[in-house]
Amino acid sequence: AQRVTQPEKLLSVFKGAPVELKCNYSYSGSPELFWYVQYSRQRLQLLLRHISRESIKGFTADLNKGETSFHLKKPFAQEEDSAMYYCALSPVKQTGANNLFFGTGTRLTVIP
Amino acid sequence: DSGVTQTPKHLITATGQRVTLRCSPRSGDLSVYWYQQSLDQGLQFLIQYYNGEERAKGNILERFSAQQFPDLHSELNLSSLELGDSALYFCASSRLSNTGELFFGEGSRLTVL
Repeated sequence: AQRVTQPEKLLSVFKGAPVELKCNYSYSGSPELFWYVQYSRQRLQLLLRHISRESIKGFTADLNKGETSFHLKKPFAQEEDSAMYYCALSPVKQTGANNLFFGTGTRLTVIP
Repeated sequence: DSGVTQTPKHLITATGQRVTLRCSPRSGDLSVYWYQQSLDQGLQFLIQYYNGEERAKGNILERFSAQQFPDLHSELNLSSLELGDSALYFCASSRLSNTGELFFGEGSRLTVL
């Protein structure tokens, strides 16, 4: 069975400081990992996915299969980064079912 | 707005009752997903439909059922409601069945008294 763990419910950092949101997963196969974000009064939306290997809004995330982690990082936090962040896993299946399994989320607050 | 729309936004009902939540996917999206978010819980996957057929099932209770209609909208039926069913129910859609980008609705907040 698959499981996504986000150990921090709340995380506060000062503006300009580095930020790292932790995500660990357990899955027997090769999963696809994602970060979703929900800004205040907005819908949950995709932030980035590991297969894209891209930086979105200054955020990056590297899949570490050895440590089964997919931590989200940004070198200099901005106030507009304050939001709820969810790590999600999609078990790769040949049938094409791509339901996402989410962690419990981390609420990031960037202090001015 | 051609995004995912969910109705109703809020619903208050009593234990033992039955409710139906409705979801219209984004234009062109064939997959619909239902998630439940209870207090202090992450989003729990309930069920996925693709072009009218059930594609994947998660931790959906037997008291709950869902379907996707020919026009691709979906309904989630919750029956014999219990206090613990109080939650935010999200619908999401995607264009293909095997993509990780889901587009979420604003959710339907169900309160069972």
